[in-house]
Amino acid sequence: QVKLQQSGAELVKPGASVKLSCKTSGYTFSTSYMSWFKQIPGQSIEWIGMIYAGDGGTGYNQKFKGKATLTVDTSSSTAYMDLSSLTTEDSAVYFCARNSFDYWGQGVMVTVSS
Amino acid sequence: DVVLTQTPPTLSATIGQSVSISCRSSQSLLDSDGDTYLNWLLQRPGQSPQLLIYSVSNLESGVPNRFSGSGSETDFTLKISGVEAEDLGVYYCMQATHAPYTFGAGTKLELK
Repeated sequence: QVKLQQSGAELVKPGASVKLSCKTSGYTFSTSYMSWFKQIPGQSIEWIGMIYAGDGGTGYNQKFKGKATLTVDTSSSTAYMDLSSLTTEDSAVYFCARNSFDYWGQGVMVTVSS
Repeated sequence: DVVLTQTPPTLSATIGQSVSISCRSSQSLLDSDGDTYLNWLLQRPGQSPQLLIYSVSNLESGVPNRFSGSGSETDFTLKISGVEAEDLGVYYCMQATHAPYTFGAGTKLELK
């Protein structure tokens, strides 16, 4: 069955970077799209961007350009998101999801604190 | 960016009651390919969002048929015909017609 398994919670210092992973199984990753989302607890959901695993092509929400970088490793069917120059405003739960939005990762809490 | 306005923000219901949630878009969600990419998702406490309805009115596999979606262009509705306890949580409408994809603010369904 389809699974999206995200990496564990992160506690990072302001100014640092973090790389989140989303390991997939149960479907053909190499010809699929993956989206990433941000949700501050108690608030709605924001779309960060998406990546096509076939050629690594990306599309970003303008709000997250320069903040998030999406990549894939088709050999391990894993999608990655790098978040850079972290501030307290980046503290949130981050989700990966297939672009049909039918399968989501479990989410990963990123806490930015000194 | 497309703004999705959901109403009501909170909904109190008894088990078995039928309820509706409205989602209004700041612009038409009809895509040039003829499809309308308006989806409904449920997020239960502490869980990831779950897709309920895609492209306005298509029931996602495994979702009970007490959920239904309708609407067109800028006006959309999710109906639950007979609320069950497992339906509690926050409902979001989401559009994927125009980049960036956007979500409504959510409607919290509570037990009365």
